[in-house]
Amino acid sequence: GDSVTQMEGPVTLSEEAFLTINCTYTATGYPSLFWYVQYPGEGLQLLLKATKADDKGSNKGFEATYRKETTSFHLEKGSVQVSDSAVYFCALRRGGNQGGKLIFGQGTELSVKP
Amino acid sequence: DGGITQSPKYLFRKEGQNVTLSCEQNLNHDAMYWYRQDPGQGLRLIYYSQIVNDFQKGDIAEGYSVSREKKESFPLTVTSAQKNPTAFYLCASSSGTVSYGYTFGSGTRLTVV
Repeated sequence: GDSVTQMEGPVTLSEEAFLTINCTYTATGYPSLFWYVQYPGEGLQLLLKATKADDKGSNKGFEATYRKETTSFHLEKGSVQVSDSAVYFCALRRGGNQGGKLIFGQGTELSVKP
Repeated sequence: DGGITQSPKYLFRKEGQNVTLSCEQNLNHDAMYWYRQDPGQGLRLIYYSQIVNDFQKGDIAEGYSVSREKKESFPLTVTSAQKNPTAFYLCASSSGTVSYGYTFGSGTRLTVV
């Protein structure tokens, strides 16, 4: 079945460092891909998405490109801030997949130190 | 503004009692979902509903029950049969459009003592 695999955390960076969180997926067809962010004690918020191959989603300095040839959707940010400390979830959604449910990765915790 | 509301944010219950968590949305979404999240863990699907008066079990439905009598509401009951109910519970909703994700509520932290 469909699945999403993220790099394990926690990831610890210094402020202004470059961030990459790897995400790869397994799915037939052409899923939509998403990154969600969860700040401590809160629900998940949609960070960015891409709906077809080679699309780039971007928001708040974060970017991710839908790479069908490598089945990947890696999250990047050029210069992280302490306020980016959170858990990041990669997810996919495909029509016909169990009623179109979102399939989540296990989440990657990011900690940014001043 | 449209959104999804979970209440209460914190809930304390004695062991052996049933407790109901509220989830209400005004986004006109057909589908609604309940997830459980344990510390340092990912999301596990409890139940979901794609239409009023219909719902399906997720991966960890044992010890939980739901109802979907109205499009806007999808309450979750944690029963005394749930062995380890202390957790963070998240409700979400979505339209049927695959290119849209889910909208999540802010969660309810349930502590059973």
